[in-house]
Amino acid sequence: DTGVSQDPRHKITKRGQNVTFRCDPISEHNRLYWYRQTLGQGPEFLTYFQNEAQLEKSRLLSDRFSAERPKGSFSTLEIQRTEQGDSAMYLCASSLRGYETSGVTDTQYFGPGTRLTVL
Amino acid sequence: AQSVAQPEDQVNVAEGNPLTVKCTYSVSGNPYLFWYVQYPNRGLQFLLKYITGDNLVKGSYGFEAEFNKSQTSFHLKKPSALVSDSALYFCAVRDLQDTGRRALTFGSGTRLQVQP
Repeated sequence: DTGVSQDPRHKITKRGQNVTFRCDPISEHNRLYWYRQTLGQGPEFLTYFQNEAQLEKSRLLSDRFSAERPKGSFSTLEIQRTEQGDSAMYLCASSLRGYETSGVTDTQYFGPGTRLTVL
Repeated sequence: AQSVAQPEDQVNVAEGNPLTVKCTYSVSGNPYLFWYVQYPNRGLQFLLKYITGDNLVKGSYGFEAEFNKSQTSFHLKKPSALVSDSALYFCAVRDLQDTGRRALTFGSGTRLQVQP
């Protein structure tokens, strides 16, 4: 399978604990994104990497959240001191920078997500 | 700012009938538009996208979408619905002229229910 993979698929934790999720993008994709999806809503953007550089962060990404992509391949998303409001599906996507007549473009391909439940 | 509206929480259609899932968008510049589908407990699966050119875009599984600039709409369509099309559908947009942003803005989703 050459799609985006995420680990774990499910995580249950107690309030106040730290959690870390991993995302492996499609091979050779240089861009990687994290989104959060709560029940009944569309995904909301958290952050974006081009290679190892974190180029864009949402205001949703509070100081308890940190993301890394140290070698420009896989990425980790850590949530410190989890709160019940952090319960959501965390989605990772990757894309390959492309060029079309209207400018730089790409298509984001999503992984299966990690469902976090904070008790 | 960029935004997407999906005015219908749910669309019901009989198998074999045509289906339409509505989407309207708002961007300052030129829109880069997407449709994704999500099955239960799964990630989003890419269906199709529009950047420029022909206003009718064809995608996976027989789906197509019609871009209408004057109405700022990008409705998803299929001539003949299948029960297996039942899922959650998301429209998303990015402003092509905002080159500093790569984030997609998604609508709240429309649940498609195809009855046998």
